[in-house]
Amino acid sequence: SAVISQKPSRDICQRGTSLTIQCQVDSQVTMMFWYRQQPGQSLTLIATANQGSEATYESGFVIDKFPISRPNLTFSTLTVSNMSPEDSSIYLCSVVRAQPETQYFGPGTRLLVL
Amino acid sequence: QKEVEQDPGPLSVPEGAIVSLNCTYSNSAFQYFMWYRQYSRKGPELLMYTYSSGNKEDGRFTAQVDKSSKYISLFIRDSQPSDSATYLCATGGGSNYKLTFGKGTLLTVNP
Repeated sequence: SAVISQKPSRDICQRGTSLTIQCQVDSQVTMMFWYRQQPGQSLTLIATANQGSEATYESGFVIDKFPISRPNLTFSTLTVSNMSPEDSSIYLCSVVRAQPETQYFGPGTRLLVL
Repeated sequence: QKEVEQDPGPLSVPEGAIVSLNCTYSNSAFQYFMWYRQYSRKGPELLMYTYSSGNKEDGRFTAQVDKSSKYISLFIRDSQPSDSATYLCATGGGSNYKLTFGKGTLLTVNP
């Protein structure tokens, strides 16, 4: 398995502001992802965080809204920019462990935008 | 049609019951199949994973995959109140390891 921590665990933010979420892993991993889990919805992949290069975004998600950094193989940040109430959600990072290839999730960041 | 369909429930059973949770998927390229358990206010926890059709057993849990009908199941034997959680199925394929999730089934096991 993998030990993954996220900060903050929760936050309440005002409309129009930005929040940066941190994800820290206990050992180096090649693949790291960011997901969103909206109330009553399935987990939706936002982007793949690539070390040393720009993140790869899924359809419907753009870098201006969700900038991502991946400075090394154990750490990544996701920023939710210019927030609106529709951004209220749980944001989760995940990593892939090899042999077998399985994906593990962090505890999530619960965001409420007023 | 959504790529992964899962009945959201809720599902309520008495302690000791056998629980059956099911998902269907549409993409025949999916190669790996996972079940996650998510307790309230926690991140998803990997419960079972499999890469082929057939059954995989781990204690009280059995994961079943039928690729011909694109159907995946999770069975829980002798269910316990501690099994009360949301169960998420997930599938994926290829080297990018991207997963597509079902909406999750909320299970309550009553003592």
